Amino acid sequence: GAVVSQHPSWVICKSGTSVKIECRSLDFQATTMFWYRQFPKQSLMLMATSNEGSKATYEQGVEKDKFLINHASLTLSTLTVTSAHPEDSSFYICSARDGSGGNQPQHFGDGTRLSIL
Amino acid sequence: SQQGEEDPQALSIQEGENATMNCSYKTSINNLQWYRQNSGRGLVHLILIRSNEREKHSGRLRVTLDTSKKSSSLLITASRAADTASYFCATDVGANNLFFGTGTRLTVIP
Repeated sequence: GAVVSQHPSWVICKSGTSVKIECRSLDFQATTMFWYRQFPKQSLMLMATSNEGSKATYEQGVEKDKFLINHASLTLSTLTVTSAHPEDSSFYICSARDGSGGNQPQHFGDGTRLSIL
Repeated sequence: SQQGEEDPQALSIQEGENATMNCSYKTSINNLQWYRQNSGRGLVHLILIRSNEREKHSGRLRVTLDTSKKSSSLLITASRAADTASYFCATDVGANNLFFGTGTRLTVIP
């Protein structure tokens, strides 16, 4: 089945540090990937849609200069949290859809737990 | 908001019992999907039901969809302790991304 790998799974760093999270589709090509943020015991909040070869589409209220997304190839999207602060601590999850047609499920990475001290 | 609402928010049952979770949504959909999330992990796709389908089965899972009521249910039969997880419905409205429900936290007691 389709596999999405997300790395790293856990990051602890100091305030002010920039953190890069990678999302790879291992056995399929993904023209579109999605980045979500999840707070404890809550649902997933879509942050942005990452489009291969073009700019990401950000959801309302998400700072594009804070959360930089790059989708340079059909198998890799990266999310960089710039100058991270404690309020950016959260669980970040990426997903990708296998195929551009409708009625396709999304395949999720295992998430990255980000803790900013 | 197009986000779905799930009911109940939390459910605790004995192993072997059936678990039913409900999802309501607000707009027309192309399909509705159910996902499972173990604590601290990503989501695992369980089942996708298209808007023109009314019921779908996959192993111990049974999903129904009532587009007139804008609702869906997920039934897990003969539950096991390993079924303990959070379950989310997600609607595909044709906008490329999914809209996730609030989730049901299921605990299956051995």
